[in-house]
Amino acid sequence: SQQGEEDPQALSIQEGENATMNCSYKTSINNLQWYRQNSGRGLVHLILIRSNEREKHSGRLRVTLDTSKKSSSLLITASRAADTASYFCATDVISSGSARQLTFGSGTQLTVLP
Amino acid sequence: DAGITQSPRHKVTETGTPVTLRCHQTENHRYMYWYRQDPGHGLRLIHYSYGVKDTDKGEVSDGYSVSRSKTEDFLLTLESATSSQTSVYFCAISSGVPNQPQHFGDGTRLSIL
Repeated sequence: SQQGEEDPQALSIQEGENATMNCSYKTSINNLQWYRQNSGRGLVHLILIRSNEREKHSGRLRVTLDTSKKSSSLLITASRAADTASYFCATDVISSGSARQLTFGSGTQLTVLP
Repeated sequence: DAGITQSPRHKVTETGTPVTLRCHQTENHRYMYWYRQDPGHGLRLIHYSYGVKDTDKGEVSDGYSVSRSKTEDFLLTLESATSSQTSVYFCAISSGVPNQPQHFGDGTRLSIL
C-alpha cells in the first residue's frame, strides 16, 4: 500500500486563488518531500520538510507537517496557470539501510484556470 | 537541472522481446533509482543502486533486472517484456546525503503490444 496518499485526487481553481493539497502517511519518517510533474515530464523537487520541522516556506509555497497526525499539506498561494501540474508527496522513511528510498503517493492533479 | 538523460524516450515493442532502458548521469551521485509510473499508482520503485555493481530490489522488481557497471550508467532490463510492463519509466539520482531530494529524468514511455 502507498505510504503517502494525497487528497484531493483532482483540484480545479481560478487563477489567483490558493490551492491546498494534503498528504497522509503511515510510518515514521525522516522527511517529507513535495514534487511537481508537468505533463510528459519528470518530477521536479519543490520543497523538503524534515520530521522535526512544522512549517516551511519557499516563494509561494507553504508546507506544514504534523507528525502526530502523520499528515502534511502543501499550499500554493496566488496560483497561476503555469502551476497546472500533478503534485506528489514522498516520504523518506526511517530504515536500517543506508539507501535513501522514497515512497510516493498517487498525486493531486491541479488545474488552474485563466 | 540535474544532468540525467534517459534513453530511449519512447519505445514500442512486442511481448516476449528483451528491452533495455538506459539512465545516464553527469552528477557523480552514488544512488540511482528506477521507478515506474502508472495511472492511480504514483511512482513505484523497481530497483535501486547504491554504488557500482551494488543493487537492490524495490517494491515491484519482478520481471526486471538492473546493472550498474559505471557510476554514471544504470540499466534497466526487461528480459521478456509483457503487456503489464507497459508504463512510463523514470530514473532518479541522489547524493545519499540525508535530507536531500532525488532528481529525476524525463522518463521513457514504453509500450508493449
